[in-house]
Amino acid sequence: QSVLTQPPSVSAAPGQKVTISCSGSFSNIGNNYVSWYQQLPGTAPKLLIYDNNKRPSGIPDRFSGSKSGTSATLGITGLQTGDEADYYCGTWDSSLTPGGGVFGGGTKLTVL
Amino acid sequence: QVQLQESGPGLVKPSETLSLTCTVSGASISTYYWSWIRQPPGKGLEWIGYIYYSGSTNYNPSLKSRVTISVDTSKNQFSLKLSSVTAADTAVYYCARLRYCTSTSCSAFDPWGLGTLVTVSS
Repeated sequence: QSVLTQPPSVSAAPGQKVTISCSGSFSNIGNNYVSWYQQLPGTAPKLLIYDNNKRPSGIPDRFSGSKSGTSATLGITGLQTGDEADYYCGTWDSSLTPGGGVFGGGTKLTVL
Repeated sequence: QVQLQESGPGLVKPSETLSLTCTVSGASISTYYWSWIRQPPGKGLEWIGYIYYSGSTNYNPSLKSRVTISVDTSKNQFSLKLSSVTAADTAVYYCARLRYCTSTSCSAFDPWGLGTLVTVSS
């Protein structure tokens, strides 16, 4: 059982937009930055979004992140078949001292 | 560019100690925080812990009694030891860099190593 809650799967057609939600609590998302990771089949996770809405160098602006209260959202526009992957949200949980890293259970994106 | 590479045995017997090393290239380990994360087959990600080059550590409370993370700045490496392993510890183990940490939290994991599968079986 993951600390952060994500939908198990989402799907959309090529060219369309999709959003993936990530729900937590005050001690994690509510009080810390959120990051998002893309894991293509058989590969290591790759950072897509950090500090809620910042993109590392090389990540296209089709990917966006936002946070409101104890929830965060990853948005992907102009979907491509190459976007089919598992997506994970992550943050820090401050319920203990010191805090620790926590992740969502992952969302499988299917591009129909 | 920064690259991380995990190494270590792919098979560990139950009750023994899992030992992995992460070699960092393209950056000095004497900067940033460095972390271990694992992913059981077909499942999600679990943070194991992190270390700063000074030796300061922070572990996942659920694993804290069995985990030791250490750093060797002369080799630009950091290591993971997980004792008393069971089949539930079978996973792909990743090492990763933390972008930054404050006194209360850390930012994102970036980059990640390729990962190494460790199977616990007799």
